[in-house]
Amino acid sequence: AQSVTQPDIHITVSEGASLELRCNYSYGATPYLFWYVQSPGQGLQLLLKYFSGDTLVQGIKGFEAEFKRSQSSFNLRKPSVHWSDAAEYFCAVGAMGFQKLVFGTGTRLLVSP
Amino acid sequence: DTAVSQTPKYLVTQMGNDKSIKCEQNLGHDTMYWYKQDSKKFLKIMFSYNNKELIINETVPNRFSPKSPDKAHLNLHINSLELGDSAVYFCASSQDLSRAEAFFGQGTRLTVV
Repeated sequence: AQSVTQPDIHITVSEGASLELRCNYSYGATPYLFWYVQSPGQGLQLLLKYFSGDTLVQGIKGFEAEFKRSQSSFNLRKPSVHWSDAAEYFCAVGAMGFQKLVFGTGTRLLVSP
Repeated sequence: DTAVSQTPKYLVTQMGNDKSIKCEQNLGHDTMYWYKQDSKKFLKIMFSYNNKELIINETVPNRFSPKSPDKAHLNLHINSLELGDSAVYFCASSQDLSRAEAFFGQGTRLTVV
């Protein structure tokens, strides 16, 4: 069965510092991988996705993620965090012919001044 | 124009009542979903529909009944509401079952008192 692990429940980063959020997945075939962001009281917005090809994918708001098959990871990065990036971040996995997304438990990002 | 819209955004009701949440997408997608986000922010699939046909029912109590009058709408009716039904319910859509990218609505926060 598919599963996603986000080992960090909370992360605090200073504004302007770099960010890396960890995501590990479990899936037998080639996965489709996603990062979504949820701002307080809001829905989920897709930041980026990986289907195939280049393992470094660029997303919106300056985010990028790298797919590493050998480590079953899809970590999200941003070189310089802004206060508006404070939110909950969810990693998710799907598959070709998929019928659902399986989400990780989320990582709450706090940005300090 | 909102791509996936849900109404209402907030719903407060008493135990035992019956309530409905409506969802509409204007993206021309074939597949629609209901996800539940619990108090710990964990997101889990409840139902998926493809072209008005039920594809997934993820062991949801039969007090929850989705209805898809056409492929642009997927409503969720809940009978005999219980305290444990309090959660945020998200509607989502994707182009079809082979496209894993899902677009989410803003969510409906249901509070059962």
